Amino acid sequence: DGGITQSPKYLFRKEGQNVTLSCEQNLNHDAMYWYRQDPGQGLRLIYYSQIVNDFQKGDIAEGYSVSREKKESFPLTVTSAQKNPTAFYLCASKNTGGVNTGELFFGEGSRLTVL
Amino acid sequence: EDKVVQSPLSLVVHEGDTVTLNCSYEVTNFRSLLWYKQEKKAPTFLFMLTSSGIEKKSGRLSSILDKKELFSILNITATQTGDSAIYLCAVGGGADGLTFGKGTHLIIQP
Repeated sequence: DGGITQSPKYLFRKEGQNVTLSCEQNLNHDAMYWYRQDPGQGLRLIYYSQIVNDFQKGDIAEGYSVSREKKESFPLTVTSAQKNPTAFYLCASKNTGGVNTGELFFGEGSRLTVL
Repeated sequence: EDKVVQSPLSLVVHEGDTVTLNCSYEVTNFRSLLWYKQEKKAPTFLFMLTSSGIEKKSGRLSSILDKKELFSILNITATQTGDSAIYLCAVGGGADGLTFGKGTHLIIQP
């Protein structure tokens, strides 16, 4: 079945540690996105990538880094520079070629808690 | 900066009631407006609207877009407890993803 897989689903980290969240998709989508969701805040865009080996900062990129070495994979690293990393992280992808409906397809999310 | 404002932010109604959720937006390059339902984890797609005045329907849910007033509504009739969720409105302006509102947290009481 086609879809987006995020791992881990739950993650605990101590302050000062970097952590990497995995996102893999087999939908053959070119564009991939990382959002952060906090209670009462909706979804805010961290980084996005429209093509392999290229990515752009979103609205809240500080303290995060990404890579896009393969079309299927878009991992997000939450660095120790991120002041409030405890949140729910959602990865998404979109078909930008052919019939572009604009719809984002989401993974199940990763909940990061910093102790 | 693109902006999406949803109202109300939370709503509690009884089963069987009809609810209307609102979404207004300001974007520099509008392409589409999307509604998602989020229960526990991943948001699930409900509707995408690109043209004014054309209602989209799916069972008890319906939505319409007014591009002149920069506004959309999502209606749910004969609500059920399974409709309890966060409803997200998002606007797409291009390849840089979607801009989301804060969501409406809907609770349906039996």
